[in-house]
Amino acid sequence: DTGVSQNPRHKITKRGQNVTFRCDPISEHNRLYWYRQTLGQGPEFLTYFQNEAQLEKSRLLSDRFSAERPKGSFSTLEIQRTEQGDSAMYLCASSLNRFPGKNTEAFFGQGTRLTVV
Amino acid sequence: TQLLEQSPQFLSIQEGENLTVYCNSSSVFSSLQWYRQEPGEGPVLLVTVVTGGEVKKLKRLTFQFGDARKDSSLHITAAQPGDTGLYLCAGVELRTGTYKYIFGTGTRLKVLA
Repeated sequence: DTGVSQNPRHKITKRGQNVTFRCDPISEHNRLYWYRQTLGQGPEFLTYFQNEAQLEKSRLLSDRFSAERPKGSFSTLEIQRTEQGDSAMYLCASSLNRFPGKNTEAFFGQGTRLTVV
Repeated sequence: TQLLEQSPQFLSIQEGENLTVYCNSSSVFSSLQWYRQEPGEGPVLLVTVVTGGEVKKLKRLTFQFGDARKDSSLHITAAQPGDTGLYLCAGVELRTGTYKYIFGTGTRLKVLA
């Protein structure tokens, strides 16, 4: 397994356009997370999935943002009508959780850097 | 309001010096991770601490989890230019039952040759 894979690595888009990012987690991992990171800051939580179920969404995830994980494997994050404030690094992470109440390490992808011009 | 506060935010030191980075919170965490991130890349996991008072060593890096599982520290001995990067702590908050990782603000370390 090559780890968490994110595509594309970089995306430049015009304001108002829609963009979609893809994340392929480590194959046996059942939890998948999306984070957003702006320059000089730590990653901010956006949402996470347990298998195909989206269990939690941050208030940062406005109605222009939607995330899916249809078969409990890869996930997509779509941003509609992009704004300049959406420019950031979008990070995906996955982890394996076998037991209720136990959380294991999260492994991150290399991120997708979005620039909205 | 950041749940996890890291200090210092920036640190520039000479090669061979020692340093300590702190990660503090008022919340209790079931586990706490330390990551290092280089520009344009995702965070890379360094260590996970789980038990209050736990100390883990990774070559020249020593990680400690506070007894109450609210804080942690990272100590680097004889820093090298290769240690340069953004150091992030991240925890899973115990009280709320959520499984999301909360990140600290980060400590940007620069080690000068």
